[in-house]
Amino acid sequence: KNQVEQSPQSLIILEGKNCTLQCNYTVSPFSNLRWYKQDTGRGPVSLTIMTFSENTKSNRRYTATLDADTKQSSLHITASQLSDSASYICVVSDRGSTLGRLYFGRGTQLTVWP
Amino acid sequence: EADIYQTPRYLVIGTGKKITLECSQTMGHDKMYWYQQDPGMELHLIHYSYGVNSTEKGDLSSESTVSRIRTEHFPLTLESARPSHTSQYLCASSDRSTSYEQYFGPGTRLTVT
Repeated sequence: KNQVEQSPQSLIILEGKNCTLQCNYTVSPFSNLRWYKQDTGRGPVSLTIMTFSENTKSNRRYTATLDADTKQSSLHITASQLSDSASYICVVSDRGSTLGRLYFGRGTQLTVWP
Repeated sequence: EADIYQTPRYLVIGTGKKITLECSQTMGHDKMYWYQQDPGMELHLIHYSYGVNSTEKGDLSSESTVSRIRTEHFPLTLESARPSHTSQYLCASSDRSTSYEQYFGPGTRLTVT
């Protein structure tokens, strides 16, 4: 069964600290993996997208890694800011259909305290 | 910032009412999607469209219906709202020009009393 599991479910950190969010998936075949940021009451916004051949990708203070062999990804946030408080969703796409089916994790709810 | 819009943003309505959630995008994307999301849960695809006059049901069974008469417009309709329809509804679009990365609207928070 194709699944995307994220951990931790929630995380609280102090402003300025770093944190790492985890994503494990069983989706096969694999096309790409995306990390989205979803602010409360808003739609998800893409942070990074990685294909099978990419191991790491950065977007400002966000760095995503991908290990396609172990089917694991992580999102590292450096020097956190209050505006980083949001849900971070891992999304995996298969290449088995013309739709490019997306499998969503439940997200990690990050809270940054001053 | 993606040019995809949803209205209303918030809606509180009584049981049995007919409602239409609007979604419009100005990017000319051919594919559009409707997702349902409950708090703390993953997004579930309920409808999608490959283009004008093309609509399909998604993975999660839904009593809602959709139409795609124009490329930019993909409304979702509930003929008779029930409390079980209370949820957040997210619209998205994608296109070959974006490698089919989906861009999401801000969502509609629906509460049926």
